[in-house]
Formats: sequence, C-alpha cells, structure tokens
Amino acid sequence: DTEVTQTPKHLVMGMTNKKSLKCEQHMGHRAMYWYKQKAKKPPELMFVYSYEKLSINESVPSRFSPECPNSSLLNLHLHALQPEDSALYLCASSLRDSDEAFFGQGTRLTVV
Amino acid sequence: GENVEQHPSTLSVQEGDSAVIKCTYSDSASNYFPWYKQELGKRPQLIIDIRSNVGEKKDQRIAVTLNKTAKHFSLHITETQPEDSAVYFCAASSYNQGGKLIFGQGTELSVKP
Repeated sequence: DTEVTQTPKHLVMGMTNKKSLKCEQHMGHRAMYWYKQKAKKPPELMFVYSYEKLSINESVPSRFSPECPNSSLLNLHLHALQPEDSALYLCASSLRDSDEAFFGQGTRLTVV
Repeated sequence: GENVEQHPSTLSVQEGDSAVIKCTYSDSASNYFPWYKQELGKRPQLIIDIRSNVGEKKDQRIAVTLNKTAKHFSLHITETQPEDSAVYFCAASSYNQGGKLIFGQGTELSVKP
C-alpha cells in the first residue's frame, strides 16, 4: 500500500457539531501532518506528529484537536467550528520529518 | 522564519513549448526543495525534489535547478502537454524545522493545444 487514505472525502457540519477526520498510511512512515488548504491558496501546515508525538502545532485554535493513536493513524477532531474553517483538509506522511511528504486526497469540509 | 516567493502566478504556453516557474527563499538553512502539482479538486502530488547538495535534477520532461548562493530554484517543463495544466507549488524546508514545508503561492499553468 503506497497511499495516504483520508476519510471522509466530504463533510458538512454545523457549528455545534463534533466530527473527526481520519488519515491512514501503511508505508511505515513515522511523520504525519495535517494541512489546511483554501481555494487557490497553498497548503498551510497545522500539525506535525513525529514518532507519534506532536512536534509542531502552528498556533491552531483549540477547536481543532489532533490525535495520533499509532504510527499508521492520524485523526483531527473538530468541535465548534466556524464557517471560515471551511476548506480542504489534507493529511500527509513522510518516512521521517525531513523526507519527501506524500499527501492524501483530502477531506472537503463545509461548516454551515 | 522562512518565506518562499513564487513567480509567475499564472503561465500560459502552447503545447510543445517549455515552461519555467521560479521560486526564491529567504532562509539559508533551507536544504530541501520539493515541487508539487495539484490538479483541480485533487491532492498535491510530488513531482520532483532537490536537496541542497546538488544543483540540478532531471526526470524525463521535468527538471529542477537550485542556486544556493542566490537562494532560488526553478522548475523546467519541456515539451508541455495539455495534461501538464495544473497549479504548481514550490516549497522549502530545513532539516531542523521538523518537516515543516513552507509553500510558495502557486503557479497556475495552462497548456493550450
């Protein structure tokens, strides 16, 4: 398996909902990332996990809560989001945190 | 922190022509420079990358050059085809930044048949 898989592909949630985004890879990569991408803009880094430990948090609001249950899985828990949080959320992984990063297909999130 | 500037923001070429996209970076500690291609509604795909210990790298119709002194790197696509049409992002990172990629603003390439 040479892919990063994200679920769901699309998500519509209300501002009071709680939802989770999931990311999975079976390439033995030990670094995993969450990026946020708005239309016609580059991806913006949110979090980095290296060897299942949170190594970078780019001052992301607490309504976004990452979790790395094991070396293959990465979750992003969402709570009380705002409409401006609507975006494409991309997961990526790399062998180590300074190696080539490969992206999942993303979750298109709409907050209503 | 690192800042990456990318030019041009849009580029239109005729099929068969070459396309060049340029990026400059600010942090002299940056040592890894990947290029991603993103088609509409799809994920960014790594197409080529270069590390600071080499000046040029080629893969078929795609090449990347790096000038460490001037802190700029470029993507060259030869014999462009309509399927090369996409948004291209350059990025930079350094080994001590924990995998943090800083992206350029992107170049929308359109290859006209």
